[in-house]
Amino acid sequence: SQQGEEDPQALSIQEGENATMNCSYKTSINNLQWYRQNSGRGLVHLILIRSNEREKHSGRLRVTLDTSKKSSSLLITASRAADTASYFCATDGTSGSRLTFGEGTQLTVNP
Amino acid sequence: GAVVSQHPSRVICKSGTSVKIECRSLDFQATTMFWYRQFPKQSLMLMATSNEGSKATYEQGVEKDKFLINHASLTLSTLTVTSAHPEDSSFYICSARLGHMNTEAFFGQGTRLTVV
Repeated sequence: SQQGEEDPQALSIQEGENATMNCSYKTSINNLQWYRQNSGRGLVHLILIRSNEREKHSGRLRVTLDTSKKSSSLLITASRAADTASYFCATDGTSGSRLTFGEGTQLTVNP
Repeated sequence: GAVVSQHPSRVICKSGTSVKIECRSLDFQATTMFWYRQFPKQSLMLMATSNEGSKATYEQGVEKDKFLINHASLTLSTLTVTSAHPEDSSFYICSARLGHMNTEAFFGQGTRLTVV
């Protein structure tokens, strides 16, 4: 079963607005990663945050990690129509190289 | 960044036939590759971990005789769906990582399999 739970499942916003997606997980992690998937395509890595980090930025992306609450959030600022995609969090556990993916958030940015 | 190439991107086959999907790491060697299955509007479900030179490790509930995985070289893993049935229709994606810890995964483009 998937470890990660994401909310919301779907999010629809207007261009220029910010989008926030949340992810919760259950077990200890080495790091947490966020990926983007355009419809019918493979996943593209966005950002990785290690378990000893609390916040990380990359361009218009901001990721936070709260290991005490076992949760993470992805913020996309000043959204664009091209940001429309599914976004998945993935946890990298302490016991191996496999990633466990959350259920995903379908983001729609309306022009 | 590293590139993982998956082929074919789409395949339609008849029930009872077998289909082979290839996953190649183009500019790095991957001792381990991962095969996922994804249903519409759902997350990725790990099917198996493909290990170069040894047997694949299958997740619980995944039939190893139905989904044959071969990882004969450091740059190629194949997934063969044997005796395919309509319920095997899905999106299959492979991935590889440059290391084991604190590294990103690189994904193939995915294969849309339709069994008719």
